[in-house]
Amino acid sequence: QSVLTQPPSVSGAPGQRVTISCTGNSSNIGAGYDVHWYQQLPGTAPKVLIYGNNNRPSGVPDRFSGSKSDTSASLAIIGLQAEDEADYYCQSYDSSLSVPWVFGGGTKLTVL
Amino acid sequence: EVQLVQSGAQVKKPGESLKISCKGSGYSFSSYWIGWVRQMPGKGLEWMGIIYPGDSDTRYSPSFQGRVTISADTSMSTAYLQLSRLKASDTAMYYCARSKEDEPFDPWGQGTQVTVSS
Repeated sequence: QSVLTQPPSVSGAPGQRVTISCTGNSSNIGAGYDVHWYQQLPGTAPKVLIYGNNNRPSGVPDRFSGSKSDTSASLAIIGLQAEDEADYYCQSYDSSLSVPWVFGGGTKLTVL
Repeated sequence: EVQLVQSGAQVKKPGESLKISCKGSGYSFSSYWIGWVRQMPGKGLEWMGIIYPGDSDTRYSPSFQGRVTISADTSMSTAYLQLSRLKASDTAMYYCARSKEDEPFDPWGQGTQVTVSS
């Protein structure tokens, strides 16, 4: 059971918009800690997709965006492309835990 | 370029121990946390523990407490993960990753595949 809750899977057709939610609580996202998103393509290590709630590293297309509100965060992908098919993880910081860095359980995005 | 390079794949027998290394380059190794993450086949990311090489502050996930030891050698800019009493269910990809408190984990090592089989 992950501290941050994500839907196990989402899907969308090419060109569509999809969102992935990440729900936490008052010890992590609700405490004001940043949310980061990672993309893991098949057979590769995770890489940062969104950091600090809504910032994109250089090289990440502006089709990807992040938002945060209260105890949850969302990743939005517009203009879905086949190469977006991957696993997506949210991550934050939880002051109540001995190892305070926490991940969501991951969401598998399928491009139909 | 900031980089983390992990040691190669290992095959172990049940009951044995493993040790994986993660060498950092391109940054001040002592000034960033190095975390270790396990990913079992087809599953999500699972924290094992984390170390701050600057003062060796180490935290372990309760799920692995007692079986895992994380260490760092600042002179070699290398962090280590040791896991004892291996079971078949420890078959997984193991990643190291760098962070600073509330910042994202970036970069990640390339991963080390560990297979535990009799």
